[in-house]
Amino acid sequence: GQQVMQIPQYQHVQEGEDFTTYCNSSTTLSNIQWYKQRPGGHPVFLIQLVKSGEVKKQKRLTFQFGEAKKNSSLHITATQTTDVGTYFCAGSAGNNRKLIWGLGTSLAVNP
Amino acid sequence: DAEITQSPRHKITETGRQVTLACHQTWNHNNMFWYRQDLGHGLRLIHYSYGVQDTNKGEVSDGYSVSRSNTEDLPLTLESAASSQTSVYFCASSESRVAGVSYNEQFFGPGTRLTVL
Repeated sequence: GQQVMQIPQYQHVQEGEDFTTYCNSSTTLSNIQWYKQRPGGHPVFLIQLVKSGEVKKQKRLTFQFGEAKKNSSLHITATQTTDVGTYFCAGSAGNNRKLIWGLGTSLAVNP
Repeated sequence: DAEITQSPRHKITETGRQVTLACHQTWNHNNMFWYRQDLGHGLRLIHYSYGVQDTNKGEVSDGYSVSRSNTEDLPLTLESAASSQTSVYFCASSESRVAGVSYNEQFFGPGTRLTVL
């Protein structure tokens, strides 16, 4: 079945360093979404990418959707302690309303 | 403001008991989902519904059931709780289209932490 692989599983950085997490799908996606889950919290939607090669920015966060619509990345510039949490990618194929979730990347930031 | 709520937030039960977790959303969303989250497994889909009277099995549906009698609620029932069902359970909802664009951002409830002893 459809799978979304996400790497790395864990990442420790010093505050101020950059961070990137990658998602790869076994099939072409119609869209990919990114969510953030703070420790003890619930996943919260960050962004959706729909177009091939799309790049979107939210302050220090940059999201990319690959040309083949099978991979995506989230890059955080100059991490802060408020960035701590687990970042999930989730994609859907065709008109499917279900999301296929990556396992998430847990980010720890040392002050 | 619209929201999605889950109750109870914490539950301890014994093996073999029937347990029902409530999920209520005021977004008026057609789509509702139940996930479980366990360390190392991410979010796994248990059941989902695309509208009233519609229910579908997800990837880990064994031992769970849902019913959708109205738009707002999708209760999750564990027929006979097992220790393997100790987990954090999240309910989510989404709308299929926004302003004519296919769009399925999911809004999550705060979660229910279930312990089966």
